[in-house]
Amino acid sequence: EPEVTQTPSHQVTQMGQEVILRCVPISNHLYFYWYRQILGQKVEFLVSFYNNEISEKSEIFDDQFSVERPDGSNFTLKIRSTKLEDSAMYFCASSKTITDTQYFGPGTRLTVL
Amino acid sequence: GESVGLHLPTLSVQEGDNSIINCAYSNSASDYFIWYKQESGKGPQFIIDIRSNMDKRQGQRVTVLLNKTVKHLSLQIAATQPGDSAVYFCAENNRTAGGTSYGKLTFGQGTILTVHP
Repeated sequence: EPEVTQTPSHQVTQMGQEVILRCVPISNHLYFYWYRQILGQKVEFLVSFYNNEISEKSEIFDDQFSVERPDGSNFTLKIRSTKLEDSAMYFCASSKTITDTQYFGPGTRLTVL
Repeated sequence: GESVGLHLPTLSVQEGDNSIINCAYSNSASDYFIWYKQESGKGPQFIIDIRSNMDKRQGQRVTVLLNKTVKHLSLQIAATQPGDSAVYFCAENNRTAGGTSYGKLTFGQGTILTVHP
């Protein structure tokens, strides 16, 4: 069964450094999403992406965040200058259409020191 | 504002019992609801969904009930097994084209389900 994959599984970085989190959505899906989950808290929406454009973003997704689909298979989330409060699990999700179920990847645990 | 919340943060049941996990939502414009299961260290796993034009939907051992009058959603798990132990999240989505929540899922806080053998 096709699934969303994410790399790395764990990323440790120093405050102020740039990180890129990578995702490979399910191959025939057209809509892509990033969510994050701070330890012990609920999953929070960051951004949705379709047709090489951001469809919607939350207040969390400020100028330090960007997303890109650099090729036909990868979907990336970049944090330009990480802060301590960016430490969280970051989940990528994808769906076939806007009205279809979103399937989540296993997540990347980001630790900012 | 819109929010999705859960009545019970933890639920402990014996293996074989039926489990009921509840969720309240406040956005009356929500038209799609999903239950996800999250095991430790893993991403949310889709369980079952329901659209706002339905009251009930059944899957394998799971049933979702939607009461739009009181904005309440529940997940029923029949014959709960130890493998069902996880955190369960409800999520809602207002996916009306032209609306402001285009694809965005709003998650509840989660209920920890523990199944004792």
